[in-house]
Amino acid sequence: GQNIDQPTEMTATEGAIVQINCTYQTSGFNGLFWYQQHAGEAPTFLSYNVLDGLEEKGRFSSFLSRSKGYSYLLLKELQMKDSASYLCAVRDGDYKLSFGAGTTVTVRA
Amino acid sequence: GAVVSQHPSWVICKSGTSVKIECRSLDFQATTMFWYRQFPKQSLMLMATSNEGSKATYEQGVEKDKFLINHASLTLSTLTVTSAHPEDSSFYICSARAETSGDYYEQYFGPGTRLTVT
Repeated sequence: GQNIDQPTEMTATEGAIVQINCTYQTSGFNGLFWYQQHAGEAPTFLSYNVLDGLEEKGRFSSFLSRSKGYSYLLLKELQMKDSASYLCAVRDGDYKLSFGAGTTVTVRA
Repeated sequence: GAVVSQHPSWVICKSGTSVKIECRSLDFQATTMFWYRQFPKQSLMLMATSNEGSKATYEQGVEKDKFLINHASLTLSTLTVTSAHPEDSSFYICSARAETSGDYYEQYFGPGTRLTVT
């Protein structure tokens, strides 16, 4: 099975940086995804890591360490619209995604 | 980019009735679609994997006779909640896997269906 942990909530100020950590213990690993989800909407893809290291994509970056079962999502230059839930998801060998409970990020002015 | 639609976007039904939710891949063929359920302030839980032309594979704890899944074509999967009860009220989200997955973000999510059972 899959066990995916991430913090429940985080608060940060507009323009700041926030790092959301995700640790996982899985029976199979075929990539780690980060999604953004606004209330009442479907998740939207943010990033994908399958090899160790940092993937940068504009204001968002994601890091993976497979040996440590650890990933983080870094959000830079926070904007009010970044207030949302951020989901860490691990894909197994059958291409199924298991999601963490999500981290609610609140951006304050 | 790949687009997945769901219909209806929201539905209210009475306890004991059945509700059908459609999931369509609009601009690509999807041999595999996934159905998720999300309760308020919780994460997505995979209910079942739907493969075109074959029976769906259900996750542990999901009643296959209650949640009927049909994947009749490469662009359409349906989820029917039979004899719905208030505890079935939830946000149902489908995703579709692109047939040619050189694309690493291969699951494309639909906008979700809010089901309320009264």
